[in-house]
Amino acid sequence: RKEVEQDPGPFNVPEGATVAFNCTYSNSASQSFFWYRQDCRKEPKLLMSVYSSGNEDGRFTAQLNRASQYISLLIRDSKLSDSATYLCGSSASKIIFGSGTRLSIRP
Amino acid sequence: SAVISQKPSRDICQRGTSLTIQCQVDSQVTMMFWYRQQPGQSLTLIATANQGSEATYESGFVIDKFPISRPNLTFSTLTVSNMSPEDSSIYLCSVATGGGTGELFFGEGSRLTVL
Repeated sequence: RKEVEQDPGPFNVPEGATVAFNCTYSNSASQSFFWYRQDCRKEPKLLMSVYSSGNEDGRFTAQLNRASQYISLLIRDSKLSDSATYLCGSSASKIIFGSGTRLSIRP
Repeated sequence: SAVISQKPSRDICQRGTSLTIQCQVDSQVTMMFWYRQQPGQSLTLIATANQGSEATYESGFVIDKFPISRPNLTFSTLTVSNMSPEDSSIYLCSVATGGGTGELFFGEGSRLTVL
């Protein structure tokens, strides 16, 4: 079993839609959690860290459920520019990434 | 944040040869990581490069195949040795903030094609 698992997608949604990604992790010692965004042929860049209380940054909301060992990312009012691959990561001493979820926003 | 420069950005190599990728950071960092991203796949951690001690390799990766140097707190190299087509991948250098559990900053990657 992979340490971090996420639905690879692709998700193809219309502009303005709300889309949610989930990611599960198996290492109960994980302390830090992240969502990264990776555009085609580019390096990953941090979208947001995920805190125990949940956190929001504009149209993006991240949540952590330690009991069930999953993290989620919600994107509201999606834009064409949100099209990318979204990687979740969990870290005990090093960040392990999921396989990434590809999101495509259509006009 | 950190600015990370990697080179080469891309290369095409012959089977059986070796290539060294360099990673330069604009500030001193304790921990540097090398990841591999094969076509259409996610990031796989190869090893943690620690200054002053040997790199720590993940399962499936060995020092003979991927020797790593870390001569100081701003620089590291990864060598891909005796390459085969299966080594064709993007290799990414990254650095961590917050003692290794903080966010990672990535270099732009080195795209390697082995013929």
